[in-house]
Amino acid sequence: DSGVTQTPKHLITATGQRVTLRCSPRSGDLSVYWYQQSLDQGLQFLIQYYNGEERAKGNILERFSAQQFPDLHSELNLSSLELGDSALYFCASSVGGHRKIYNEQFFGPGTRLTVL
Amino acid sequence: QQQVKQSPQSLIVQKGGISIINCAYENTAFDYFPWYQQFPGKGPALLIAIRPDVSEKKEGRFTISFNKSAKQFSLHIMDSQPGDSATYFCAAALPPYNDMRFGAGTRLTVKP
Repeated sequence: DSGVTQTPKHLITATGQRVTLRCSPRSGDLSVYWYQQSLDQGLQFLIQYYNGEERAKGNILERFSAQQFPDLHSELNLSSLELGDSALYFCASSVGGHRKIYNEQFFGPGTRLTVL
Repeated sequence: QQQVKQSPQSLIVQKGGISIINCAYENTAFDYFPWYQQFPGKGPALLIAIRPDVSEKKEGRFTISFNKSAKQFSLHIMDSQPGDSATYFCAAALPPYNDMRFGAGTRLTVKP
């Protein structure tokens, strides 16, 4: 158990809908990262937050957005869902966002999103 | 566009054998290269990692070899065990915030 929790575990929804995925980082971790894992695209970095502020952006679609709250939990919002958005969405956390030494990222168990 | 290229896609090794997975990158801004292990139904977990100023790092049966000039690095698993059967991802981290780019993954099967 990495200490990172994600809810829900599974989510089934229809095209055009909007969903929210939730992540609680390990105690003491200030950074949260979101990744999308699909069969054809592998693990793709989406976005990173550090102590409530967006720090880095990857291949995140405009239909997707995220935020990190004062209690450090994070939410990933996916809207106007398409069939191709079906994937595993992972959240990871680490101690800090700006490093002098690399801070290991600890991954949660993921949320499996199915868009029908 | 895959910034980190990983091969092979799948690998079958006999118990006790050596498993070798290779990765290559283009972006010289990457400055940290972790390997992750993922079991079915679980999130990836850090296995071993290396910085580009080191050519080799060994932890138990796992060794990373790093060739900075060729922009390549590889994972060697010695004395492979059935419990090592998992998907392995190489990754490269960008400073200063450690956002990672992953390889496509290698599904390793170790036959008893």
